Amino acid sequence: EPEVTQTPSHQVTQMGQEVILRCVPISNHLYFYWYRQILGQKVEFLVSFYNNEISEKSEIFDDQFSVERPDGSNFTLKIRSTKLEDSAMYFCASSAGPGETQYFGPGTRLLVL
Amino acid sequence: QKEVEQDPGPLSVPEGAIVSLNCTYSNSAFQYFMWYRQYSRKGPELLMYTYSSGNKEDGRFTAQVDKSSKYISLFIRDSQPSDSATYLCAIATGTASKLTFGTGTRLQVTL
Repeated sequence: EPEVTQTPSHQVTQMGQEVILRCVPISNHLYFYWYRQILGQKVEFLVSFYNNEISEKSEIFDDQFSVERPDGSNFTLKIRSTKLEDSAMYFCASSAGPGETQYFGPGTRLLVL
Repeated sequence: QKEVEQDPGPLSVPEGAIVSLNCTYSNSAFQYFMWYRQYSRKGPELLMYTYSSGNKEDGRFTAQVDKSSKYISLFIRDSQPSDSATYLCAIATGTASKLTFGTGTRLQVTL
């Protein structure tokens, strides 16, 4: 069964450093998403991406964040200058269309020290 | 008022019990209703997906949507210890693509 994959599974970084989280969505999906979950809190939407453009973004997704689909398979989330409060589990998801089922990856646990 | 409200639990039931999990929401524009299961430190896994009001059954799971009350439910019959997880409701509007999640209800099924 096709699935969303994410790398790395864990990332530890120093405050102020740049991190790139990588995702490989399901191959025939066209819509891509990033969510985050701070420990003990609910899953929160960050950004959606379609046709090489951001479709929608939340208040959390400020200028420190960017997304890119550098090739036909990868979808990345970059945090330019990490803060302590960026420590969270980051989930990538993909769907065949808007309102269609979103399938989630296993997540990348980011720890900012 | 929060967009989606869900009792965080924990909810502890004996094996074989019927479990009822619920969410309420405030935005009447929501059209798509989902239940995800999340094991500890894992990604959400889709369990049920329904569009608009009504019931949907899949094995031991039944999802129910009542748009007039803005209330959604997930029923688990013959609960098993392997059902122990956090259950997240997630809702989306017809045109927007983002999912709005509840806080999740932690379920423990005991032997």
